[in-house]
Amino acid sequence: DGGITQSPKYLFRKEGQNVTLSCEQNLNHDAMYWYRQDPGQGLRLIYYSQIVNDFQKGDIAEGYSVSREKKESFPLTVTSAQKNPTAFYLCASTHLRGAEAFFGQGTRLTVV
Amino acid sequence: AQSVTQLGSHVSVSEGALVLLRCNYSSSVPPYLFWYVQYPNQGLQLLLKYTSAATLVKGINGFEAEFKKSETSFHLTKPSAHMSDAAEYFCAVKEGVEKTSYDKVIFGPGTSLSVIP
Repeated sequence: DGGITQSPKYLFRKEGQNVTLSCEQNLNHDAMYWYRQDPGQGLRLIYYSQIVNDFQKGDIAEGYSVSREKKESFPLTVTSAQKNPTAFYLCASTHLRGAEAFFGQGTRLTVV
Repeated sequence: AQSVTQLGSHVSVSEGALVLLRCNYSSSVPPYLFWYVQYPNQGLQLLLKYTSAATLVKGINGFEAEFKKSETSFHLTKPSAHMSDAAEYFCAVKEGVEKTSYDKVIFGPGTSLSVIP
């Protein structure tokens, strides 16, 4: 079945560490997105990418980095510069002319 | 600029009662509108979408929504709530002339639905 796979489902980070969240899709979608979800705040866009080797900052990109070396993959690195990284992270993808986004199952990141 | 408002961060209904979740939007061009559902610790799943065809849209699990341009609303309804409907619901709007992946999607803050047995 086609879909979006995020891993790991749960991730713990120590203060000062960088961690990388994986997102892989086999839907042949052009665009991929990373959202951060905090209670009561809905989804906020971190980064997005329309094509390979190109990506743009979203509304809350500070402290995060991404790469898009393959169409299927869009990993997100949460750097030590992100002061409050504890959140639920969601990856999504769409066709270029697709209406809706398809979401992965999410990664819950906790700072310990 | 586009925005989405969901009235009521928490809604409780009795099992078998009508579900009504409210969504209002602002958009400078005819929008695409979506309702997504999220169960605890899971991703978002599309319930239904409006893309400028019929104004009454039917989705999965018995949900439907009506696009009312004059009221800038896209409220979600279900005639009879089931226990399995307890979840977080998000309304979203996408605008832009071409409606491509380059057009931003704005999500509302979400409404948590509880179903009382």
